[in-house]
Amino acid sequence: IAGITQAPTSQILAAGRRMTLRCTQDMRHNAMYWYRQDLGLGLRLIHYSNTAGTTGKGEVPDGYSVSRANTDDFPLTLASAVPSQTSVYFCASSELAGTGNEQFFGPGTRLTVL
Amino acid sequence: GQNIDQPTEMTATEGAIVQINCTYQTSGFNGLFWYQQHAGEAPTFLSYNVLDGLEEKGRFSSFLSRSKGYSYLLLKELQMKDSASYLCAVRDRDYKLSFGAGTTVTVRA
Repeated sequence: IAGITQAPTSQILAAGRRMTLRCTQDMRHNAMYWYRQDLGLGLRLIHYSNTAGTTGKGEVPDGYSVSRANTDDFPLTLASAVPSQTSVYFCASSELAGTGNEQFFGPGTRLTVL
Repeated sequence: GQNIDQPTEMTATEGAIVQINCTYQTSGFNGLFWYQQHAGEAPTFLSYNVLDGLEEKGRFSSFLSRSKGYSYLLLKELQMKDSASYLCAVRDRDYKLSFGAGTTVTVRA
């Protein structure tokens, strides 16, 4: 099935615990992105990667890390979760070459940190 | 950086037309996108503008004026299934998107 998958679908996590959100795409897109979505604030970019082996910081990177070992996978890690990281997390991917090239979004992970 | 403004909520009647405005201030414009997001679901792509003018796609149209930092999304012949949030997003020269907070459209019978 073509597209982006995320896991887990939802998670309740104790503060201070480490958590990795998984994201895999099978469209062979160059670029991948992680966003968080909070009520009233819209989607905010956490980290991105324009190609395998490179990553960059978005608008709200603190407390999060990413890696891009290959084209398909782009995991997001919370080293020590805090309640303010309670949010819905979306992974996205896109091509970079040419015009247009919209981002395709995964189904999201709903994370609650207590 | 980007500063993107759009109305929080709009309500319209089934069969009517609704126009959602988006204004932006950008340090490097490289295209404007509109996404639709139903409650509890992922955003899905609706339209893309990089040059001034109107792009029409079925019942949805999007307009861009780069000199004014302004775009609108026009939804015609509204249907109940169009009740959703509509997200305006501006792309920069590094291909990163900055999103507005979204406009929740409620379609009433």
